[in-house]
Amino acid sequence: AQSVTQLDSHVSVSEGTPVLLRCNYSSSYSPSLFWYVQHPNKGLQLLLKYTSAATLVKGINGFEAEFKKSETSFHLTKPSAHMSDAAEYFCVVPHNYGQNFVFGPGTRLSVLP
Amino acid sequence: NAGVTQTPKFRVLKTGQSMTLLCAQDMNHEYMYWYRQDPGMGLRLIHYSVGEGTTAKGEVPDGYNVSRLKKQNFLLGLESAAPSQTSVYFCASSYSAGLDHTDTQYFGPGTRLTVL
Repeated sequence: AQSVTQLDSHVSVSEGTPVLLRCNYSSSYSPSLFWYVQHPNKGLQLLLKYTSAATLVKGINGFEAEFKKSETSFHLTKPSAHMSDAAEYFCVVPHNYGQNFVFGPGTRLSVLP
Repeated sequence: NAGVTQTPKFRVLKTGQSMTLLCAQDMNHEYMYWYRQDPGMGLRLIHYSVGEGTTAKGEVPDGYNVSRLKKQNFLLGLESAAPSQTSVYFCASSYSAGLDHTDTQYFGPGTRLTVL
């Protein structure tokens, strides 16, 4: 079965420094992969998605993620954190049978002034 | 377009009471989902639907029922609420989950439910 591991439940960075949020997946094939962001008291919004067209995917708000099949990873990065990036981030993989999705437990990003 | 809307936004119930949460989408999506979000557990799928008139169980279906009588609406029912159902509930929709699983989910703003 598909599964997703987000290695850090909480990441804290200073404003202007790089962000790295880690995601590893378990799959018997190369799946599509998604990152969603949830700002406090809001619904989830798509940040970016990998669909096998290119391994480096650019998303909104300066985020990008690189799909590495050999490492079964899809880590999310941003060169310079902004205060508005403080949110919860979820890595998501489709379920085996293609009818729904599996969410990782989430990583809460704090950005310090 | 309103996207995905949820009604109500907040609700407090007493143990044993019943209620229905309504999700509506105006994007003509086939797939709809109900999730619950609890601290440290991410989003867990309760039930989902792959089209009008269909429903299927997700990861945590016990204590909930759903109906998809119209394509644009997906209802989540709690017949006899329990404190363990205190959570934030999110509805989502997508065009499909697709053969190559590329479709984006669009989420509603959530319903915060407290069961006393």
